[in-house]
Amino acid sequence: GAGVSQSPSNKVTEKGKDVELRCDPISGHTALYWYRQSLGQGLEFLIYFQGNSAPDKSGLPSDRFSAERTGGSVSTLTIQRTQQEDSAVYLCASSFTRDGETQYFGPGTRLLVL
Amino acid sequence: AQSVTQLGSHVSVSEGALVLLRCNYSSSVPPYLFWYVQYPNQGLQPLLKYTSAATLVKGINGFEAEFKKSETSFHLTKPSAHMSDAAEYFCAVTLFSGGYNKLIFGAGTRLAVHP
Repeated sequence: GAGVSQSPSNKVTEKGKDVELRCDPISGHTALYWYRQSLGQGLEFLIYFQGNSAPDKSGLPSDRFSAERTGGSVSTLTIQRTQQEDSAVYLCASSFTRDGETQYFGPGTRLLVL
Repeated sequence: AQSVTQLGSHVSVSEGALVLLRCNYSSSVPPYLFWYVQYPNQGLQPLLKYTSAATLVKGINGFEAEFKKSETSFHLTKPSAHMSDAAEYFCAVTLFSGGYNKLIFGAGTRLAVHP
């Protein structure tokens, strides 16, 4: 596609439910990143994928968060047993894998946990 | 550890006035530096990037930024603000480490432009 796409654009869920967030990167981009944007915390790195592997999961807030990437393309971020503090905008970005490459962001998924 | 500081969470200017958004970084080696812009209800868009090829970097929509190593700064400027420039602006630094680039963002500066 022309840009990074994410779905859903908005998600409202009840505390304790599981949610899945999807990211379609720019075609040909081998690197994929997830970030979280929340009030008071700014933009936080969550996880990085190179192809289908995730060399850096250091930003995942807890073991309730997991992510996978298949076919070197689509990625899914899963949050289990959601908590109110998980409410945020989840942003996905992709880039080529070269030093200093610009990351291109999707529009984000706005998650609200009630 | 790398960090980015943006001075001023909110900046307000008149239409036609100079825009100056401040960014200071902390990095042990020359970094790549970025400015991203986020319009309401949209994702982040790259505005410009410093790659050491030139200290004055020109971006889209008339914005430019100057890298000053001695001041560890990368301030964003635009000579004449337009109403459409109202958005949130993020400065970010990255180093290529472990085979990838992880962006470290500043807290952002929300720019308001009034008539």
